[in-house]
Amino acid sequence: QLQLQESGPGLVKPSETLSLTCTVSGVYISDSGYYWGWIRQPPGKGLEWIGTIYYGGSSYYNPSLKRQVTISVDTSKNQLSLRLSSVTAADTAVYYCTRQRSDWSFDYWGQGTLVTVSS
Amino acid sequence: QSALTQPPSASGSLGQSVTISCTGTSSDVGGYNYVSWYQQHPGKAPKLMIYEVSKRPSGVPDRFSGSKSGNTASLTVSGLQAEDEADYYCSSYAGSNPYVVFGGGTKLTVL
Repeated sequence: QLQLQESGPGLVKPSETLSLTCTVSGVYISDSGYYWGWIRQPPGKGLEWIGTIYYGGSSYYNPSLKRQVTISVDTSKNQLSLRLSSVTAADTAVYYCTRQRSDWSFDYWGQGTLVTVSS
Repeated sequence: QSALTQPPSASGSLGQSVTISCTGTSSDVGGYNYVSWYQQHPGKAPKLMIYEVSKRPSGVPDRFSGSKSGNTASLTVSGLQAEDEADYYCSSYAGSNPYVVFGGGTKLTVL
């Protein structure tokens, strides 16, 4: 059964870099036909797509975050990673790791991890 | 402000039907048959309920149905049950910049 599990610091200082890892189990990230990505949700607010990556290297980012974001995959560890630089309080959110279908829907989600940006 | 417009709330009585709308533009909802819907209970991750406008993933009850007309997509929940009370989000492929947009969410209350 496919499972995604996010991990990383729950507290990040302003101007620093947020780094999260998602460990995928039950399927190989390199399985063809699927993409992987990150979505976030500020407390009490809606969902925001951050970006998507294909194991072969193609990546797609939300233009509102493009200058801050890097998404990468490590097929040897079956993990994907998120780095968000120069964070502010506005980046406080629950961050979800997702599997994305070719129709741009998200069929598997991690449980989410809350990251708070505060000094 | 979200790219797709949803009503903030909707309600219906047990056993009744309710429809939630999701309005976009010809660059997203109207331009592609790549609309999806998600159900989110408090403190939980969203769950895919509908993809490609009207298709249901395995395990999703057929009480949930989706449709689209022009720039507006809709999610209908028939035979409302107590466990359907949740937040519902629509999303659409938008071509590029950004590739995916979400609605602001609709809180469904079952009376």
